Amino acid sequence: EVQLVQSGAEVKKPGESLKISCKGSGYSFTSYWIGWVRQMPGKGLEWMGIIYPGDSDTRYSPSFQGQVTISADKSISTAYLQWSSLKASDTAMYYCARWDSSGCGAFDIWGQGTMVTVSS
Amino acid sequence: SYELTQPPSVSVSPGQTARITCSGDALPKQYAYWYQQKPGQAPVLVIYKDSERPSGIPERFSGSSSGTTVTLTISGVQAEDEADYYCQSADSSGNWVFGGGTKLTVL
Repeated sequence: EVQLVQSGAEVKKPGESLKISCKGSGYSFTSYWIGWVRQMPGKGLEWMGIIYPGDSDTRYSPSFQGQVTISADKSISTAYLQWSSLKASDTAMYYCARWDSSGCGAFDIWGQGTMVTVSS
Repeated sequence: SYELTQPPSVSVSPGQTARITCSGDALPKQYAYWYQQKPGQAPVLVIYKDSERPSGIPERFSGSSSGTTVTLTISGVQAEDEADYYCQSADSSGNWVFGGGTKLTVL
Protein backbone atom coordinates (compact mmCIF):
# COMPACT_ATOMS: atom_id res chain seq x y z
CA GLU A 1 0.00 0.00 0.00
CA VAL A 2 1.29 3.42 -0.97
CA GLN A 3 1.24 5.69 2.06
CA LEU A 4 2.78 8.66 3.78
CA VAL A 5 2.92 8.51 7.57
CA GLN A 6 3.60 11.71 9.46
CA SER A 7 5.00 12.25 12.92
CA GLY A 8 2.72 12.99 15.85
CA ALA A 9 1.24 16.18 17.18
CA GLU A 10 3.57 18.75 18.73
CA VAL A 11 3.07 21.44 21.38
CA LYS A 12 5.86 24.01 21.48
CA LYS A 13 6.61 27.44 22.91
CA PRO A 14 7.36 30.51 20.80
CA GLY A 15 11.02 30.68 19.85
CA GLU A 16 11.55 26.92 20.00
CA SER A 17 12.71 24.85 17.06
CA LEU A 18 10.84 21.95 15.52
CA LYS A 19 11.29 19.31 12.83
CA ILE A 20 8.35 17.15 11.71
CA SER A 21 8.60 14.15 9.44
CA CYS A 22 6.81 12.32 6.64
CA LYS A 23 7.78 8.72 5.86
CA GLY A 24 6.88 7.19 2.52
CA SER A 25 6.33 3.51 1.84
CA GLY A 26 4.97 1.25 -0.85
CA TYR A 27 6.59 3.14 -3.74
CA SER A 28 9.95 4.43 -4.94
CA PHE A 29 10.43 7.36 -2.56
CA THR A 30 13.23 8.89 -4.64
CA SER A 31 11.10 9.07 -7.81
CA TYR A 32 8.36 11.41 -6.60
CA TRP A 33 8.33 14.95 -5.25
CA ILE A 34 6.99 15.46 -1.72
CA GLY A 35 5.11 18.67 -0.97
CA TRP A 36 4.13 20.33 2.29
CA VAL A 37 0.78 22.06 2.80
CA ARG A 38 -0.33 24.22 5.74
CA GLN A 39 -3.88 24.46 7.01
CA MET A 40 -4.43 26.98 9.77
CA PRO A 41 -7.37 26.36 12.12
CA GLY A 42 -10.64 26.76 10.22
CA LYS A 43 -8.85 27.94 7.08
CA GLY A 44 -7.91 26.67 3.64
CA LEU A 45 -4.93 24.87 2.17
CA GLU A 46 -1.65 26.69 1.49
CA TRP A 47 1.21 25.21 -0.52
CA MET A 48 4.54 25.66 1.28
CA GLY A 49 7.08 23.94 -0.94
CA ILE A 50 8.27 20.68 -2.44
CA ILE A 51 11.37 18.50 -2.47
CA TYR A 52 12.60 15.78 -4.82
CA PRO A 53 14.20 13.21 -2.51
CA GLY A 54 16.24 11.76 -5.36
CA ASP A 55 18.54 14.78 -5.48
CA SER A 56 17.10 17.08 -2.76
CA ASP A 57 16.05 19.69 -5.32
CA THR A 58 13.78 21.99 -3.27
CA ARG A 59 11.37 24.75 -4.22
CA TYR A 60 9.55 27.07 -1.85
CA SER A 61 6.40 29.11 -2.11
CA PRO A 62 7.36 32.81 -1.99
CA SER A 63 5.11 33.06 1.08
CA PHE A 64 7.20 30.52 3.01
CA GLN A 65 10.71 31.10 1.63
CA GLY A 66 13.02 31.79 4.55
CA GLN A 67 10.37 30.82 7.12
CA VAL A 68 10.81 27.05 6.98
CA THR A 69 13.30 24.47 5.72
CA ILE A 70 12.33 21.39 3.73
CA SER A 71 14.72 18.46 3.60
CA ALA A 72 14.77 14.73 2.96
CA ASP A 73 16.76 11.63 3.89
CA LYS A 74 16.33 9.19 1.05
CA SER A 75 18.07 6.43 2.96
CA ILE A 76 15.07 6.21 5.29
CA SER A 77 12.41 7.45 2.82
CA THR A 78 11.58 10.45 4.98
CA ALA A 79 10.93 14.10 4.25
CA TYR A 80 11.09 16.85 6.85
CA LEU A 81 9.70 20.29 7.55
CA GLN A 82 11.49 22.38 10.12
CA TRP A 83 11.38 25.70 11.89
CA SER A 84 14.26 27.38 13.70
CA SER A 85 12.11 29.73 15.77
CA LEU A 86 8.40 29.05 16.02
CA LYS A 87 5.75 31.74 16.28
CA ALA A 88 2.19 31.49 17.54
CA SER A 89 1.08 32.05 13.94
CA ASP A 90 2.73 28.72 12.98
CA THR A 91 -0.08 26.93 14.81
CA ALA A 92 -1.66 24.77 12.11
CA MET A 93 -2.13 21.32 10.67
CA TYR A 94 0.70 20.42 8.29
CA TYR A 95 0.24 17.83 5.57
CA CYS A 96 2.80 16.17 3.36
CA ALA A 97 1.67 14.92 -0.03
CA ARG A 98 3.20 13.06 -2.95
CA TRP A 99 3.29 14.99 -6.22
CA ASP A 100 2.84 12.65 -9.16
CA SER A 101 4.53 15.04 -11.60
CA SER A 102 4.83 12.55 -14.46
CA GLY A 103 1.42 10.94 -14.04
CA CYS A 104 -1.74 12.63 -12.91
CA GLY A 105 0.13 15.83 -12.12
CA ALA A 106 -1.54 16.18 -8.74
CA PHE A 107 -0.87 15.54 -5.08
CA ASP A 108 -2.25 12.02 -5.21
CA ILE A 109 -1.27 10.61 -1.81
CA TRP A 110 -1.52 12.59 1.43
CA GLY A 111 -0.21 12.01 4.92
CA GLN A 112 -2.58 12.07 7.86
CA GLY A 113 -1.34 15.47 8.98
CA THR A 114 0.71 16.74 11.92
CA MET A 115 -0.89 19.29 14.24
CA VAL A 116 1.56 21.87 15.51
CA THR A 117 0.47 24.09 18.41
CA VAL A 118 2.66 27.01 19.42
CA SER A 119 1.65 28.63 22.68
CA SER A 120 3.33 30.20 25.65
CA SER B 1 0.30 37.06 -6.22
CA TYR B 2 -1.82 34.64 -8.22
CA GLU B 3 -5.24 33.73 -6.85
CA LEU B 4 -7.84 31.09 -7.54
CA THR B 5 -11.35 32.22 -6.62
CA GLN B 6 -14.03 29.84 -5.38
CA PRO B 7 -17.47 30.55 -3.90
CA PRO B 8 -17.35 30.12 -0.10
CA SER B 9 -20.38 27.86 -0.05
CA VAL B 10 -22.73 25.83 -2.22
CA SER B 11 -25.89 24.11 -1.00
CA VAL B 12 -27.89 21.42 -2.77
CA SER B 13 -30.53 18.85 -1.91
CA PRO B 14 -29.75 15.13 -2.13
CA GLY B 15 -30.01 13.86 -5.69
CA GLN B 16 -29.48 17.30 -7.21
CA THR B 17 -26.42 18.50 -9.09
CA ALA B 18 -23.78 20.62 -7.38
CA ARG B 19 -21.45 22.83 -9.38
CA ILE B 20 -18.40 24.43 -7.78
CA THR B 21 -16.44 26.94 -9.81
CA CYS B 22 -12.84 28.08 -9.63
CA SER B 23 -11.57 31.13 -11.52
CA GLY B 24 -8.02 32.15 -12.32
CA ASP B 25 -6.27 34.04 -15.08
CA ALA B 26 -3.78 31.24 -15.80
CA LEU B 27 -6.34 28.45 -16.01
CA PRO B 28 -6.46 28.50 -19.82
CA LYS B 29 -2.76 27.50 -19.76
CA GLN B 30 -2.51 25.41 -16.59
CA TYR B 31 -4.35 22.28 -15.50
CA ALA B 32 -6.64 22.36 -12.50
CA TYR B 33 -7.03 19.77 -9.79
CA TRP B 34 -9.79 19.24 -7.23
CA TYR B 35 -9.58 17.89 -3.70
CA GLN B 36 -12.29 16.86 -1.24
CA GLN B 37 -11.67 17.35 2.47
CA LYS B 38 -14.03 16.05 5.11
CA PRO B 39 -13.80 17.30 8.72
CA GLY B 40 -10.79 15.94 10.54
CA GLN B 41 -9.42 14.20 7.45
CA ALA B 42 -6.67 14.82 4.93
CA PRO B 43 -7.62 16.03 1.45
CA VAL B 44 -8.43 13.46 -1.23
CA LEU B 45 -7.85 14.00 -4.96
CA VAL B 46 -11.14 13.76 -6.88
CA ILE B 47 -10.28 15.31 -10.28
CA TYR B 48 -6.93 15.81 -12.02
CA LYS B 49 -5.93 17.58 -15.23
CA ASP B 50 -9.24 19.48 -15.40
CA SER B 51 -11.49 16.50 -16.06
CA GLU B 52 -9.82 13.17 -15.27
CA ARG B 53 -11.11 11.05 -12.42
CA PRO B 54 -8.72 8.94 -10.28
CA SER B 55 -9.56 5.31 -9.77
CA GLY B 56 -11.90 4.79 -6.87
CA ILE B 57 -13.64 8.15 -7.25
CA PRO B 58 -17.36 7.77 -8.04
CA GLU B 59 -18.52 8.60 -11.57
CA ARG B 60 -20.81 11.32 -10.21
CA PHE B 61 -17.71 13.51 -9.85
CA SER B 62 -16.67 15.27 -13.06
CA GLY B 63 -14.65 18.29 -14.06
CA SER B 64 -14.69 20.74 -16.94
CA SER B 65 -12.84 23.81 -18.12
CA SER B 66 -13.88 26.90 -20.05
CA GLY B 67 -11.56 29.86 -20.40
CA THR B 68 -10.51 31.18 -17.01
CA THR B 69 -13.00 29.02 -15.09
CA VAL B 70 -12.95 25.36 -14.16
CA THR B 71 -15.94 23.59 -12.67
CA LEU B 72 -16.34 20.57 -10.42
CA THR B 73 -19.71 18.94 -10.94
CA ILE B 74 -21.22 16.40 -8.59
CA SER B 75 -24.25 14.74 -10.12
CA GLY B 76 -26.81 13.06 -7.88
CA VAL B 77 -25.29 14.50 -4.72
CA GLN B 78 -25.27 12.21 -1.71
CA ALA B 79 -25.07 13.08 1.97
CA GLU B 80 -21.53 11.67 2.08
CA ASP B 81 -20.41 14.32 -0.44
CA GLU B 82 -20.78 17.06 2.16
CA ALA B 83 -17.24 18.41 2.52
CA ASP B 84 -14.90 21.25 1.65
CA TYR B 85 -13.65 21.28 -1.92
CA TYR B 86 -10.44 22.95 -3.07
CA CYS B 87 -9.19 23.66 -6.55
CA GLN B 88 -5.45 23.79 -7.24
CA SER B 89 -3.38 25.01 -10.14
CA ALA B 90 -0.02 26.58 -10.89
CA ASP B 91 0.97 30.17 -11.54
CA SER B 92 3.25 31.26 -14.37
CA SER B 93 6.34 30.55 -12.22
CA GLY B 94 5.27 26.98 -11.47
CA ASN B 95 4.23 27.70 -7.88
CA TRP B 96 1.23 25.72 -6.70
CA VAL B 97 -1.80 27.69 -5.56
CA PHE B 98 -4.99 26.51 -3.87
CA GLY B 99 -8.35 28.18 -4.09
CA GLY B 100 -9.94 29.39 -0.87
CA GLY B 101 -12.21 26.35 -0.68
CA THR B 102 -15.94 25.81 -1.04
CA LYS B 103 -18.08 24.26 1.65
CA LEU B 104 -20.65 21.95 0.08
CA THR B 105 -23.74 21.52 2.22
CA VAL B 106 -26.23 18.76 1.45
CA LEU B 107 -29.58 20.01 2.67
